[in-house]
Amino acid sequence: GENVEQHPSTLSVQEGDSAVIKCTYSDSASNYFPWYKQELGKRPQLIIDIRSNVGEKKDQRIAVTLNKTAKHFSLHITETQPEDSAVYFCAASNDAGGTSYGKLTFGQGTILTVHP
Amino acid sequence: KAGVTQTPRYLIKTRGQQVTLSCSPISGHRSVSWYQQTPGQGLQFLFEYFSETQRNKGNFPGRFSGRQFSNSRSEMNVSTLELGDSALYLCASSHFGNEQFFGPGTRLTVL
Repeated sequence: GENVEQHPSTLSVQEGDSAVIKCTYSDSASNYFPWYKQELGKRPQLIIDIRSNVGEKKDQRIAVTLNKTAKHFSLHITETQPEDSAVYFCAASNDAGGTSYGKLTFGQGTILTVHP
Repeated sequence: KAGVTQTPRYLIKTRGQQVTLSCSPISGHRSVSWYQQTPGQGLQFLFEYFSETQRNKGNFPGRFSGRQFSNSRSEMNVSTLELGDSALYLCASSHFGNEQFFGPGTRLTVL
């Protein structure tokens, strides 16, 4: 089955700096890669996702890049703010030609702390 | 639209008992997935249901089971509870290959 490795496990940055979190996956058939942010005591929330036919996607201060050949994808957060502090999870999924990405394999998570 | 809801939010059980958790997806969503979240193992996929059929299953023992009803609401059941089953159980719903929306979770404590 799919295996997703995520690094680093903790990341501490100063407000205004950039943060990068990296994930690698094992199943070359995976074609959907979401990133979730989970604040303490709250549910995971999707912040950005990318599909295998796209190399990069941006949404304001957040961007994700995908390298299918190397089987890795990364989350980039620019101009970090204290409210970006949370646990970030990457995930991978293969819809096997179907219509759902209902089985997500998650990385272990990265605790991001942004110091004011 | 109302978000994904889960009941109960908190549950305390003793070893050997069984438990049933409920998940109501966003209206119109037909796919419901269940995940177990623990500090040690992170987020692990349990199973996915679509139109009342189990479409995918994770690597959990047969004590973990689920079902989906015709209104897309889903339940998961854990029988013969063990201490290691203590976790946050999250369900997520999605609509035809798009984003999975998570519920607030049910915090299960097994004593």
